[in-house]
Amino acid sequence: SQTIHQWPATLVQPVGSPLSLECTVEGTSNPNLYWYRQAAGRGLQLLFYSVGIGQISSEVPQNLSASRPQDRQFILSSKKLLLSDSGFYLCALEGTRKSNEQFFGPGTRLTVL
Amino acid sequence: AQSVTQLDSQVPVFEEAPVELRCNYSSSVSVYLFWYVQYPNQGLQLLLKYLSGSTLVKGINGFEAEFNKSQTSFHLRKPSVHISDTAEYFCAVKARNYQLIWGAGTKLIIKP
Repeated sequence: SQTIHQWPATLVQPVGSPLSLECTVEGTSNPNLYWYRQAAGRGLQLLFYSVGIGQISSEVPQNLSASRPQDRQFILSSKKLLLSDSGFYLCALEGTRKSNEQFFGPGTRLTVL
Repeated sequence: AQSVTQLDSQVPVFEEAPVELRCNYSSSVSVYLFWYVQYPNQGLQLLLKYLSGSTLVKGINGFEAEFNKSQTSFHLRKPSVHISDTAEYFCAVKARNYQLIWGAGTKLIIKP
């Protein structure tokens, strides 16, 4: 079965510091991968998705970036964090074309102070 | 383009009472429909999905949803809720070759 790992689980960072969140998946190959953010009191915001190694699509312009160095690894980064980057970051993979559903990791809670 | 509307941001209900969480969508093409649940500080978990076939879909934890094509709705129901159902519920829509579109979420608040 498919498993998604995210780390760290929680993170407190000062404004202006860099960021690296990692997502790795197991039990599948060549998945579509997604990064979402949930800000306090708000719904899911799609940040990036990837259909393969080195292929990244950005949904919203911001100071975040994503990379996919390996088939089952998806990384979210920032060079300088803003207060508005605080939130709950979720990694997801898309299942087989037949099911079309997305499976989510446990998330990373980021607080920028 | 597709869109999803969850009409209620919060739904308070007494324990053991029935509940309905509303979801309406718009799309010019056929869609797949999903309900997810998110417990506090956790990722999202699939409750149920409609891909095709019977319009009444049964999911986990006693939830069910009915796809109504004429009303473009996919409301989620449970005949008797429990404290453990306290969570946020998200409706999502996907058309072929398009990204998944999410509703804003509905917080289900169970009152003892």
